[in-house]
Amino acid sequence: AQTIHQWPVAEIKAVGSPLSLGCTIKGKSSPNLYWYWQATGGTLQQLFYSITVGQVESVVQLNLSASRPKDDQFILSTEKLLLSHSGFYLCAWSLGVSQNTLYFGAGTRLSVL
Amino acid sequence: GDSVTQTEGQVALSEEDFLTIHCNYSASGYPTLFWYVQYPGEGPQLLFRASRDKEKGSSRGFEATYDKGTTSFHLRKASVQESDSAVYYCALSDRGTGYQNFYFGKGTSLTVIP
Repeated sequence: AQTIHQWPVAEIKAVGSPLSLGCTIKGKSSPNLYWYWQATGGTLQQLFYSITVGQVESVVQLNLSASRPKDDQFILSTEKLLLSHSGFYLCAWSLGVSQNTLYFGAGTRLSVL
Repeated sequence: GDSVTQTEGQVALSEEDFLTIHCNYSASGYPTLFWYVQYPGEGPQLLFRASRDKEKGSSRGFEATYDKGTTSFHLRKASVQESDSAVYYCALSDRGTGYQNFYFGKGTSLTVIP
C-alpha cells in the first residue's frame, strides 16, 4: 500500500528565517509529485509539480522553491519567510495517467510570525 | 485555461436535509472530474471521480453525474448527517495537460446542524 508522509506536522517560524518542508512517498514507483498551499479558509493552490527526479515545474511564484532529490522525496523550501507564507502545505502524488487521482498527505501547518 | 467554479461558499443544513453543491468546469480537453472532502486539520481525500460523459460517481451516499453538455458535476446527497460537516472541493484533471495539473474549485464549507 502507498503511504505519504509529510514533515514536520507544524512549524512556527519568524519572518526572514529559512524553511524546509519534506514529503516522502512509499510504495509507488516514479509518481508525479505536487506541492499545494492553502491559506486559512482558502482554496487549494498548486505551487509545484514534478514528474521525475531532478525536474520541478513552478506553477505560481510565492518566493518558494522545490526540489526532488530522490524518486520518492519532494522538498519545499525558502531562504527567507514572509508573513504571507503562513498556511497549510500539502504534498500529493498521482500516477500522471488517464483517470489518475491526486492523493494528499496530512499536511504541514506553518505559522510565520 | 482550465477552471472549476463552485457556486456555494458555505452551506448550512439540518440533519436529513437534501444537499446540492454546484460545480461547473471549463477545460480545453476531456477532463476527469473529482469530488474531494477535507476535514479540519487533514489533507483532502477523494470522495469519487468520473471520466466520461453521463458517468455517475458515488460514495458514502454522495453522488454526482458528469454532464459534458452543461459542463457540470454537481454533488448531491439525499440525507446529510452531522458527520458530513466538512469542506468539499470539485476538481478536474485534463488530458490536454497530460494529467499533470489538477484544478480545484474554491471549496464549499458544509455545516450540518443536529
